[in-house]
Amino acid sequence: NAGVTQTPKFRVLKTGQSMTLLCAQDMNHEYMYWYRQDPGMGLRLIHYSVGEGTTAKGEVPDGYNVSRLKKQNFLLGLESAAPSQTSVYFCASSYLGILYEQYFGPGTRLTVT
Amino acid sequence: DAKTTQPNSMESNEEEPVHLPCNHSTISGTDYIHWYRQLPSQGPEYVIHGLTSNVNNRMASLAIAEDRKSSTLILHRATLRDAAVYYCILGRFLNNAGNMLTFGGGTRLMVKP
Repeated sequence: NAGVTQTPKFRVLKTGQSMTLLCAQDMNHEYMYWYRQDPGMGLRLIHYSVGEGTTAKGEVPDGYNVSRLKKQNFLLGLESAAPSQTSVYFCASSYLGILYEQYFGPGTRLTVT
Repeated sequence: DAKTTQPNSMESNEEEPVHLPCNHSTISGTDYIHWYRQLPSQGPEYVIHGLTSNVNNRMASLAIAEDRKSSTLILHRATLRDAAVYYCILGRFLNNAGNMLTFGGGTRLMVKP
């Protein structure tokens, strides 16, 4: 039981390049989330999904897109990376909503130059 | 959105109890109080959550004030492994689905041997 895994662990992009971050969970959770964490700050919610085929915007969605084609996977895309998107990205999943804890992945450290 | 206020940092001695305070004076009736912690270079980890009554689990205890405007996370016996940033978060439903956790700055707990 791996929990929540994220691919890749590190990445360096040039401004304007695109990439996709993959999050996978093996706990059969309905809800999945993408957060970003800037240095010395708390996490901010980018997008979330309450089930396969559904996605919704969080607190800071601009510049990102997401897809949830399979229940166990949640993809975060950057179409045209900007230096302001340099951050650590965390994926999380939870069984259902507010009463259930969120399980976080180990994070992806992204640098945009 | 309801916000929380926590001290930036606290120190504790190993094997002593730790009381981490959190103020949330604008909490609404449907807000749950969640605590997560983040060890260095890791994703956040669930600690405990509650609504009105005090809660205990294997990791910690959560004491909630009667008016719910403040709460305290209690680590009964701090260990070096408990050194982390502790986030007090108000969790609220997102359109009756999902679980939006808004992370603030948290309290950095340092544990001295």
